[in-house]
Amino acid sequence: EVKLVESGGGLVQPGGSLRLSCAAAGFDFEDYAMHWVRQIPGKGLEWVSGITWNSDIKGYVDSVKGRFTISRDNAKNSVDLQMNSLRAEDTALYYCVRPRVAGASQTFFDYWGLGVLVIVSS
Amino acid sequence: EIVLTQSPATLSVSPGERASVSCRASQSISDNLAWYQQKPGQAPSLLIFRASIRVTGVPPRFSGSGSGTEFTLTISSLQSEDFAVYYCQQFHNWPPALTFGGGTRVDLK
Repeated sequence: EVKLVESGGGLVQPGGSLRLSCAAAGFDFEDYAMHWVRQIPGKGLEWVSGITWNSDIKGYVDSVKGRFTISRDNAKNSVDLQMNSLRAEDTALYYCVRPRVAGASQTFFDYWGLGVLVIVSS
Repeated sequence: EIVLTQSPATLSVSPGERASVSCRASQSISDNLAWYQQKPGQAPSLLIFRASIRVTGVPPRFSGSGSGTEFTLTISSLQSEDFAVYYCQQFHNWPPALTFGGGTRVDLK
């Protein structure tokens, strides 16, 4: 059974930092790109960042470029999102997501974690 | 950046009626589009990929069509469990980027 479990969320002041982690299980983690998607409560979905299976390509939505860094450890089956210089508009539920297809550009998501809440507020 | 524009933002439908949700891309994305359903308190669930391929287990009343810049999700006869928010997502330019549409809420008329 595929499992994605996020951790590391919480309340942080504007300008602060948080590191989100996603622990994956139940599939060959090293074969899949991994992504983070966020959702402001009551609002829509926003793709935040993704990383290819071998970490050679990392992508970010424009609003987080230069502030967020995605990384993965295939030995530990984990993917992290380091979030620096946090802003109020980064407040959201952050989902760790896995594409349906391994190692390909056909990137649509069939497994989602439960999400972790990040609140940026003073 | 490829922008996806969904319309309408809200669709009020009676059970048994047909519902159509539109998703327009700012540039051609071929058939690199997926549709998701999200119910309150739940993560989104994949319904359709490659614009028209239904995920195993998704009822046949859900169908997707389109290519290039214009796409449609159609629910042929709405059931009570279909009242939810629907999102489109393009994967044409991954890597390095993906985008979602703004969502369409289908609610009870």
